[in-house]
Amino acid sequence: DQQVKQNSPSLSVQEGRISILNCDYTNSMFDYFLWYKKYPAEGPTFLISISSIKDKNEDGRFTVFLNKSAKHLSLHIVPSQPGDSAVYFCAASAGYSGAGSYQLTFGKGTKLSVIP
Amino acid sequence: DTGVSQDPRHKITKRGQNVTFRCDPISEHNRLYWYRQTLGQGPEFLTYFQNEAQLEKSRLLSDRFSAERPKGSFSTLEIQRTEQGDSAMYLCASSSPLRGTEAFFGQGTRLTVV
Repeated sequence: DQQVKQNSPSLSVQEGRISILNCDYTNSMFDYFLWYKKYPAEGPTFLISISSIKDKNEDGRFTVFLNKSAKHLSLHIVPSQPGDSAVYFCAASAGYSGAGSYQLTFGKGTKLSVIP
Repeated sequence: DTGVSQDPRHKITKRGQNVTFRCDPISEHNRLYWYRQTLGQGPEFLTYFQNEAQLEKSRLLSDRFSAERPKGSFSTLEIQRTEQGDSAMYLCASSSPLRGTEAFFGQGTRLTVV
């Protein structure tokens, strides 16, 4: 039973264009969502997050959108750069309110390739 | 560097041997987590400490696995009688009291059981 799903295993985008990575979740208790970037043989690097009380959070080239009714979030990268090529993981937690668990549930990841 | 530190980075062991990994979290972080990642999967939660107390354990954490955080600082993860299925990347993460849901990960320990 996968509670966090990233249905696209891979995505290729031209440099300078927008990259959109998608994530769906099933657990209504999740109230905090995070995106991590991972290079081979390294640990995940935190990118950006959003709580369930917001629908958008922006940090430089990265924007995360949350649609609670659809249980869907997306990460937009604009403009995409070759250095953005990595595996991106979506993760969810039920710990933001303090009532649930702090553990993160991850999707399987989407491999982004930015073509120069 | 004040990030999460894990040691060793790589470990090759024979089946049946015991192994121990160490994690040093970011110094002001009171929460520490262990995750395991296998090829093609996202990290999977194993266990979580708040200070020295182990508050959550996953069903993935069999009797052969034990984790400790004796003084609320560094943590160790021990696997006894290793099996080939234990081969994975073991990731440690920590989070602060103020932003408890944002976990910062170490580089991981790659375990290969032969």
